[in-house]
Amino acid sequence: QKEVEQDPGPLSVPEGAIVSLNCTYSNSAFQYFMWYRQYSRKGPELLMYTYSSGNKEDGRFTAQVDKSSKYISLFIRDSQPSDSATYLCAMSESFGNEKLTFGTGTRLTIIP
Amino acid sequence: NAGVMQNPRHLVRRRGQEARLRCSPVKGHSHVYWYRQLPEEGLKFMVYLQKENIIDESGMPKERFSAEFPKEGPSILRIQQVVRGDSAAYFCASSFYVAPYEQYFGPGTRLTVT
Repeated sequence: QKEVEQDPGPLSVPEGAIVSLNCTYSNSAFQYFMWYRQYSRKGPELLMYTYSSGNKEDGRFTAQVDKSSKYISLFIRDSQPSDSATYLCAMSESFGNEKLTFGTGTRLTIIP
Repeated sequence: NAGVMQNPRHLVRRRGQEARLRCSPVKGHSHVYWYRQLPEEGLKFMVYLQKENIIDESGMPKERFSAEFPKEGPSILRIQQVVRGDSAAYFCASSFYVAPYEQYFGPGTRLTVT
């Protein structure tokens, strides 16, 4: 079993829809949860990070972490064609252990 | 302000040759991380280096792979005697602070072994 599971998609939604992306994990030591966006042939770009459980909002993006269920989500509101990319979740145990463990990524397409 | 630079962007090697991948971190960053992305898989951690020191190499294959981050110059990931299974995208990230969310990624080097 992989430490981090992520549905690879592909996921296609119409412009303006709310997108929900999810990851589950098995390592209860993870405390930092990141979401990256990766365009084709580019490096990952950090969108948001969350420490421990809870919600965090940044513009059209909301990240949620439920440590009791080992489940994290990223919501994108009012989705735009420019949001079309692969979204990667990543996790880390703590400061001093900067190794990031990534999900496989979900390929998202926003249809105009 | 230049971001993380990696070169070459594309590298083709024949089986048995050596591959050298270079990573120039963001100016002022002294922490470098290497990750490998195999087709249809997520990024996998390989190694974490600070200037002149390997801090964590738990993700590095035991043979043929080595990494360095000298006092001057870029970080180098070296793969000796490449095999087809080494074909992947190799990403470098750098950070100023030691924090999980502070890693800035480069555009990657795509290695193809023929």
